[in-house]
Amino acid sequence: DVKVTQSSRYLVKRTGEKVFLECVQDMDHENMFWYRQDPGLGLRLIYFSYDVKMKEKGDIPEGYSVSREKKERFSLILESASTNQTSMYLCASSRLANYGYTFGSGTRLTVV
Amino acid sequence: TQLLEQSPQFLSIQEGENLTVYCNSSSVFSSLQWYRQEPGEGPVLLVTVVTGGEVKKLKRLTFQFGDARKDSSLHITAAQPGDTGLYLCAGAINTDKLIFGTGTRLQVFP
Repeated sequence: DVKVTQSSRYLVKRTGEKVFLECVQDMDHENMFWYRQDPGLGLRLIYFSYDVKMKEKGDIPEGYSVSREKKERFSLILESASTNQTSMYLCASSRLANYGYTFGSGTRLTVV
Repeated sequence: TQLLEQSPQFLSIQEGENLTVYCNSSSVFSSLQWYRQEPGEGPVLLVTVVTGGEVKKLKRLTFQFGDARKDSSLHITAAQPGDTGLYLCAGAINTDKLIFGTGTRLQVFP
């Protein structure tokens, strides 16, 4: 069964901490994405990557960075967590947009 | 800015009722997809429609892509509690990227 695995389902972090969210896919997909999902705001794209070591800003990149050192792994980094980054974070991967995205189960991050 | 508007935003119905969810845009898409997301999980792809006017059926779910490839609908016949969830449409704007709709939250009561 093909999978996108996010390292944590739930995380609680303190304001100012550096936070790493990890995502691994086993489908050899070129494209990987990080979204955040908030009630009433839908899915908002933070960053995406078309290939190893390549990254592109999405709609809301401020306060975030990413790393893609290997094809199967895409990491989202919150440099200094703030309470307004409390959210559900979803990772996805795809080969081509027309084939659809495969999502992970999400990480619910709470920053206190 | 490209937008995909879904309506209704919320839908609360009794088991056995029929419903339709709409997804509209002013943009043309090369394909349109529907996802269902259950609480605490990521969205799961239900279907992809590619050709204008295309109709696809998945058991009690019927998906239609508009002739101009700008809009889509999802019709559920005889809804069941297991259909409860957030339904998202998504349009492919290039070969690699989707834009997601605003979502329709469906609650089906027994």
